[in-house]
Amino acid sequence: SQTIHQWPATLVQPVGSPLSLECTVEGTSNPNLYWYRQAAGRGLQLLFYSVGIGQISSEVPQNLSASRPQDRQFILSSKKLLLSDSGFYLCAWSPGGANYGYTFGSGTRLTVV
Amino acid sequence: RKEVEQDPGPFNVPEGATVAFNCTYSNSASQSFFWYRQDCRKEPKLLMSVYSSGNEDGRFTAQLNRASQYISLLIRDSKLSDSATYLCVVNNQAGTALIFGKGTTLSVSS
Repeated sequence: SQTIHQWPATLVQPVGSPLSLECTVEGTSNPNLYWYRQAAGRGLQLLFYSVGIGQISSEVPQNLSASRPQDRQFILSSKKLLLSDSGFYLCAWSPGGANYGYTFGSGTRLTVV
Repeated sequence: RKEVEQDPGPFNVPEGATVAFNCTYSNSASQSFFWYRQDCRKEPKLLMSVYSSGNEDGRFTAQLNRASQYISLLIRDSKLSDSATYLCVVNNQAGTALIFGKGTTLSVSS
């Protein structure tokens, strides 16, 4: 069966520090991968999605970037965190496009201080 | 008009009650519809897909009205364990990803 892993679960980082969140999927190949952010009291915001290695689509221009160095690995990064980057970061995968429901990882709760 | 709109609630109901959530979406070309459930401080989990003819999964019934761009979720015989936030989900304009509503919070009490 397919599983999705995200780490770390919780992170507290100072303003201006870099960020690297990793997500990996097991038990499937060539998944579509997604990064969402959920700010406190707000809905899920799509940040990036990827349909293959090296293929990244950005939905919202901001202080973040994403990379997909391997088929089942998706990384979210920032060179310098802002206070507004705080939130609940969720990685998700699907076997295809938006016709399929997504399975989410357990998320990373990021607090920028 | 927002892409996906939901009444945020909260809906406070007693055990055994029937409760209905509604959702509207702006993209008339949307083809994929889902309801997700999110427990406090947890990741969203797929509750059910929503099909044009309507579909049922135990105590849960989902309906889609394409003409009105409206989706509903009905929960019968509410349980304490149904307490959560329910997210209405629709595919985006390009059909490449899913757009989530902000969710409707349900609290079931004994």
